[in-house]
Amino acid sequence: QKEVEQNSGPLSVPEGAIASLNCTYSDRVSQSFFWYRQYSGKSPELIMSIYSNGDKEDGRFTAQLNKASQYVSLLIRDSQPSDSATYLCAVHTGTASKLTFGTGTRLQVTL
Amino acid sequence: GAGVSQTPSNKVTEKGKYVELRCDPISGHTALYWYRQSLGQGPEFLIYFQGTGAADDSGLPNDRFFAVRPEGSVSTLKIQRTERGDSAVYLCASSLTGQETQYFGPGTRLLVL
Repeated sequence: QKEVEQNSGPLSVPEGAIASLNCTYSDRVSQSFFWYRQYSGKSPELIMSIYSNGDKEDGRFTAQLNKASQYVSLLIRDSQPSDSATYLCAVHTGTASKLTFGTGTRLQVTL
Repeated sequence: GAGVSQTPSNKVTEKGKYVELRCDPISGHTALYWYRQSLGQGPEFLIYFQGTGAADDSGLPNDRFFAVRPEGSVSTLKIQRTERGDSAVYLCASSLTGQETQYFGPGTRLLVL
């Protein structure tokens, strides 16, 4: 079992719709969770971080964390073509400083 | 201020050659990380520096890979006897003290022919 799992996609949503990206992780002591956006040929760019159960909203983005289910998600409201990218879920586990990444979900926002 | 910078942006080398990749973290960040990303995969951890010392080198794939950060700022990732399988994007990231958000540089795309 991979430590951090994501559906590779592509996830295709029409412009203006809500995109829902999901991530599960295996290590129960994971403490910090991050969503990075990566455009093709570019490096990862932080979108959201979340540390406690519940929802965290920032503009059109909402991160949701459920530690009991070992599940973290990212919702993108009013999706725009510029949101088309790969979204990487990353986890800080225990005292380790390194991030463990999923393989990423490719999002396509269609006109 | 300036973000994380990496040089070169692209490196083409021949199998068996030695390469050095450089990372300049955000000023004041004590934590520095190296990751490697292959096509279609997420970044994979290689090594983490806290100050000048390697606090976690568990991700280095073998002894051909080595990294240094002698003055606690700039870091160099060194790869000896390169193999075609080393071809990837090498990403550097930094964070303030080691438990916060990591900010990534633009990466070095390494191609071993």
